[in-house]
Amino acid sequence: DAKTTQPPSMDCAEGRAANLPCNHSTISGNEYVYWYRQIHSQGPQYIIHGLKNNETNEMASLIITEDRKSSTLILPHATLRDTAVYYCIGLNSNSGYALNFGKGTSLLVTP
Amino acid sequence: GAGVSQSPSNKVTEKGKDVELRCDPISGHTALYWYRQSLGQGLEFLIYFQGNSAPDKSGLPSDRFSAERTGGSVSTLTIQRTQQEDSAVYLCASSPQAGGNTGELFFGEGSRLTVL
Repeated sequence: DAKTTQPPSMDCAEGRAANLPCNHSTISGNEYVYWYRQIHSQGPQYIIHGLKNNETNEMASLIITEDRKSSTLILPHATLRDTAVYYCIGLNSNSGYALNFGKGTSLLVTP
Repeated sequence: GAGVSQSPSNKVTEKGKDVELRCDPISGHTALYWYRQSLGQGLEFLIYFQGNSAPDKSGLPSDRFSAERTGGSVSTLTIQRTQQEDSAVYLCASSPQAGGNTGELFFGEGSRLTVL
């Protein structure tokens, strides 16, 4: 699975868009990019995943560069409840299951 | 409930004692995972069950750790002769199928283990 690199922490003002970057320069052609988040004292929560195309759901948007070496998770209107650690994970669809969570990005949304 | 349920939510034990942690996955989910999260750290994969296949135990840190899944549903993680370094939050997750390209993991709230 691809090694991912994320900044350790970021701040965002409430109501603004939070753009969380992730580098995955070693990602292979069939590896998906998954994003999870973990709010303090809770289990991780799935957000979104993608392969090549940009993806959007009710929680966030995922922008993947054309060369697939990096991606950005976008929370369009961050709220205080979005304060959490965000994990970017590369996952090979064939090897499947053991998602390797790194240390992620600690996002602090401020009033 | 509809989510993954773990018990106990908190467990304090003395060094050398055995502990059992329980996970009730979401009904119908065939894949079940155990992870461990030490204070301030990321998640560490421990073990994975998929249907009736032999579990992948490659993440278990020592032979003091074992897990079973009875009837393809409830799972128990057992830690024998606990050590202080075993103190962590133990997270269970389930998925409708193997992780892959269509799966997403649903995590429980975790069991916080403190070994004195």
